[in-house]
Amino acid sequence: NAGVTQTPKFQVLKTGQSMTLQCAQDMNHNSMYWYRQDPGMGLRLIYYSASEGTTDKGEVPNGYNVSRLNKREFSLRLESAAPSQTSVYFCASRHYPSWGNTEAFFGQGTRLTVV
Amino acid sequence: KNEVEQSPQNLTAQEGEFITINCSYSVGISALHWLQQHPGGGIVSLFMLSSGKKKHGRLIATINIQEKHSSLHITASHPRDSAVYICAVRGLYSGGGADGLTFGKGTHLIIQP
Repeated sequence: NAGVTQTPKFQVLKTGQSMTLQCAQDMNHNSMYWYRQDPGMGLRLIYYSASEGTTDKGEVPNGYNVSRLNKREFSLRLESAAPSQTSVYFCASRHYPSWGNTEAFFGQGTRLTVV
Repeated sequence: KNEVEQSPQNLTAQEGEFITINCSYSVGISALHWLQQHPGGGIVSLFMLSSGKKKHGRLIATINIQEKHSSLHITASHPRDSAVYICAVRGLYSGGGADGLTFGKGTHLIIQP
């Protein structure tokens, strides 16, 4: 199994450009998540999707939009990239519902630089 | 919101040494995760625990719910163990699909040959 697959792995954008980060999982998980990881900080939740057809804001949603295209795929879009969005982005998935006792599976990350 | 503190932030050790990484949190949890992030960036789940102790190969994770503390131990450390180790906790009342996870900042471990 591939697990969680993210594309692209690296991306450089100019300020104001848009792009979509893709994420797909093949574990039939119903919950999917987008995080960002910045130096000196723990991972922070941007958006999540509890199940196909639903999405909700996490801790740091400003400047992002998401789409849960189907059960497998959850994309993150930057409509107008800003230097503050330079970060490493991780997609994750897990089985839900559960009150915390399920393992999360992470993608390999996308290193995004906005210049 | 839960506060998650990891120590040490950075650790350099010699191959073969016994390694301990600590994680403390401020409020009650339903589960604690230990994650490993290798150079190159991918994150892998090592353990998920809500009580007691778990062991996988040379890795051991323990948790003390009363003291709100967990430790990750590595026995007979090897250079391939060099990575960032991340502690994450899930609150007691997380629901609605939100992951409810609060992450520590990570411990950067280097094992020298």
